[in-house]
Amino acid sequence: DGGITQSPKYLFRKEGQNVTLSCEQNLNHDAMYWYRQDPGQGLRLIYYSQIVNDFQKGDIAEGYSVSREKKESFPLTVTSAQKNPTAFYLCASSIRGGPTYEQYFGPGTRLTVT
Amino acid sequence: QQPVQSPQAVILREGEDAVINCSSSKALYSVHWYRQKHGEAPVFLMILLKGGEQKGHEKISASFNEKKQQSSLYLTASQLSYSGTYFCGTIDTGTASKLTFGTGTRLQVTL
Repeated sequence: DGGITQSPKYLFRKEGQNVTLSCEQNLNHDAMYWYRQDPGQGLRLIYYSQIVNDFQKGDIAEGYSVSREKKESFPLTVTSAQKNPTAFYLCASSIRGGPTYEQYFGPGTRLTVT
Repeated sequence: QQPVQSPQAVILREGEDAVINCSSSKALYSVHWYRQKHGEAPVFLMILLKGGEQKGHEKISASFNEKKQQSSLYLTASQLSYSGTYFCGTIDTGTASKLTFGTGTRLQVTL
């Protein structure tokens, strides 16, 4: 079955620790995205990548970092510099970047930092 | 700047109709609609491209008025399974790839 996997589903960390969220897709999609969702809010774009070894900042990139070394993988690191890291994180992919392609979402990782 | 959705929430009885609006201050290339159930990932509904098109999928359809930078999602004869939060996402002509989501419209369908 093709799809996007995110692991783990729930993640707990102490304040001051960096944490890396996994996102893998086997859809052979070129573009991948990371969004953050806070309770009662819409999705806000953190980073996106349209091709391997290239990525761009989204609207709320501060305190986050990404890498895109393989087409199928786009891990997100939440650093200690992110002031309010507790949120629901969603990874998505599309065949290509651009305005006409639908995005497929993974099941999400709920991160809690205390 | 994110698009504005209205209403913020709506409660329907099964079989009733609803309209959800999405409005942007920017010139748009496309509008995307997604539905998200509580605790789950958003699911794609449809994309509308500039050119003022309309699209339909069973009893859910949408329109896109490019000049007004607005889109509307129409749900007819609602079913219990339509419950969830509906998000519009817009791609403006300046960014080409960045999808900016609205804050969502919570729809609850009751018996």
